[in-house]
Amino acid sequence: DAGVIQSPRHEVTEMGQEVTLRCKPISGHNSLFWYRQTMMRGLELLIYFNNNVPIDDSGMPEDRFSAKMPNASFSTLKIQPSEPRDSAVYFCASSLGGAVDTQYFGPGTRLTVL
Amino acid sequence: RKEVEQDPGPFNVPEGATVAFNCTYSNSASQSFFWYRQDCRKEPKLLMSVYSSGNEDGRFTAQLNRASQYISLLIRDSKLSDSATYLCVVKSSNDYKLSFGAGTTVTVRA
Repeated sequence: DAGVIQSPRHEVTEMGQEVTLRCKPISGHNSLFWYRQTMMRGLELLIYFNNNVPIDDSGMPEDRFSAKMPNASFSTLKIQPSEPRDSAVYFCASSLGGAVDTQYFGPGTRLTVL
Repeated sequence: RKEVEQDPGPFNVPEGATVAFNCTYSNSASQSFFWYRQDCRKEPKLLMSVYSSGNEDGRFTAQLNRASQYISLLIRDSKLSDSATYLCVVKSSNDYKLSFGAGTTVTVRA
């Protein structure tokens, strides 16, 4: 079975540009998570969707970040405008849901904002 | 205080050695515990869940001490392929959020 799919795997952009990261969760999973990982802060949860509905976006750094999940098989994380401090690895993860469940991570998108 | 704290290491051990490390968590209501493994420039992957009675998975043994709020991971007969960062992960029963430690780096040398 395919795991979580993310694209692009690498993104290099200039400050001020819009960046869109994409994620396809594992089929049948109803929970989706976007994380950001940096050396300084480790893994941080940005936003959590359940059944395509955003449940908790308290980890989204600021209004420049937005996320959508238009259907059960696709989600986007958008940064507009991007800043150098947004440089990080962005992971998408999905899970079946429930009290005790495993989150499966995608390969991540390595974002560099110049 | 961070929710999950880990000794960052690195732990440098020879092949065949035993290495063990802990993590502590601050939320006494935490109910689920995991160890994830993350290889360099890769995504985190579940290594094993940690059960109250302790559990083994091959060369890996995980222990939970609720009274002292710590979790441990022991790796026996270390292999070169065990070199990775091990993330301690904690989850409350009524919460979907996973709290990740910063990771403990293990390097196994030939």
